Amino acid sequence: SQTIHQWPATLVQPVGSPLSLECTVEGTSNPNLYWYRQAAGRGLQLLFYSVGIGQISSEVPQNLSASRPQDRQFILSSKKLLLSDSGFYLCAWSKPGGWAQHFGDGTRLSIL
Amino acid sequence: GQSLEQPSEVTAVEGAIVQINCTYQTSGFYGLSWYQQHDGGAPTFLSYNGLDGLEETGRFSSFLSRSDSYGYLLLQELQMKDSASYFCAVYTGTASKLTFGTGTRLQVTL
Repeated sequence: SQTIHQWPATLVQPVGSPLSLECTVEGTSNPNLYWYRQAAGRGLQLLFYSVGIGQISSEVPQNLSASRPQDRQFILSSKKLLLSDSGFYLCAWSKPGGWAQHFGDGTRLSIL
Repeated sequence: GQSLEQPSEVTAVEGAIVQINCTYQTSGFYGLSWYQQHDGGAPTFLSYNGLDGLEETGRFSSFLSRSDSYGYLLLQELQMKDSASYFCAVYTGTASKLTFGTGTRLQVTL
């Protein structure tokens, strides 16, 4: 069976510090991978998606970047965090051509 | 662009039936999905409608009308554990991307 791991679960960072969130998927090959952000009480905003190694598409211009160094690894980064980067970050995967996305447990990021 | 509208909150009594509506405006529409999210948790996939009509999965059913750009999620025999946020999401086919609605918070009461 397929599993998705996302860490850390919670993170408190000062403004201006760097960020690296990691997501890995097991039990499947060549998944589509996604990073979302969810503000409190709001919907999910797609930040980045990837259909293969090194292939990253950005949905919203912002202070963040994503990378996919391996087939089942997806990383969300920032060089300098802003207060507005606070939120609940979710990684998800889907089979190529599949309609169901499967989410990790998320990272709750607070910027101080 | 894509936009989805769903009610922000719905309250229903345990054992009752509730319907959560979703209307959408989008290009490149392939289908409509529904996700459930409990407070503090991650969204989980509930259903997908690629064709018009009703899809049933246990106590949950989902309906799609492409001509009306409309769908709904029907929850029957409500249980307290169904209290959660429910999101409709448009599937565009491109990289299996989803555009999510703003969510409907369902509160089930005794």
